[in-house]
Amino acid sequence: NAGVTQTPKFQVLKTGQSMTLQCAQDMNHNSMYWYRQDPGMGLRLIYYSASEGTTDKGEVPNGYNVSRLNKREFSLRLESAAPSQTSVYFCASSETTAGTGELFFGEGSRLTVL
Amino acid sequence: RKEVEQDPGPFNVPEGATVAFNCTYSNSASQSFFWYRQDCRKEPKLLMSVYSSGNEDGRFTAQLNRASQYISLLIRDSKLSDSATYLCVALSGYSTLTFGKGTMLLVSP
Repeated sequence: NAGVTQTPKFQVLKTGQSMTLQCAQDMNHNSMYWYRQDPGMGLRLIYYSASEGTTDKGEVPNGYNVSRLNKREFSLRLESAAPSQTSVYFCASSETTAGTGELFFGEGSRLTVL
Repeated sequence: RKEVEQDPGPFNVPEGATVAFNCTYSNSASQSFFWYRQDCRKEPKLLMSVYSSGNEDGRFTAQLNRASQYISLLIRDSKLSDSATYLCVALSGYSTLTFGKGTMLLVSP
């Protein structure tokens, strides 16, 4: 049972380059999320998708775009990477957005922007 | 001001000790609360939910004080494997989970 799978696990970019982080879940969850985690800042929500076909901005959406490709997949795109986007990115999913509070996280993608 | 605040620690305790963490939240409309555990360089995982009446799961006890707007986590008989960062989480509105920055616990032999 894979749960939430993110790719790539590690990536180094130069300033201005673009890339897409891929995320897939096999738990038939409706809601999916992208967080970033920085030292001293905790987890911050970038974008989320409450259900297939919808996406909404979180706390720190600037510089990112997302696509909810289908129920399983939710990708995060950096169009023009900046050093401030160096971070660990976590994708997560949950059955619904409300109530249980249980998010299932992927293993994280460590991105460095030079 | 961050909505969910925690002492970053680290809390250094010997095996077998009892340790408690507190977390305060600023949004009085927050409906539900949770503790997550995050091992070093790993993803966060749900440890337990926090109920108004308090709840216990083995060595772990979580409590909520709505009047003072804080949540606590008590760990009894600490194990080496309890070493991790503990994240306090508040659910506000329809879909907003706000994570605290976490409290690091180090349990030593």
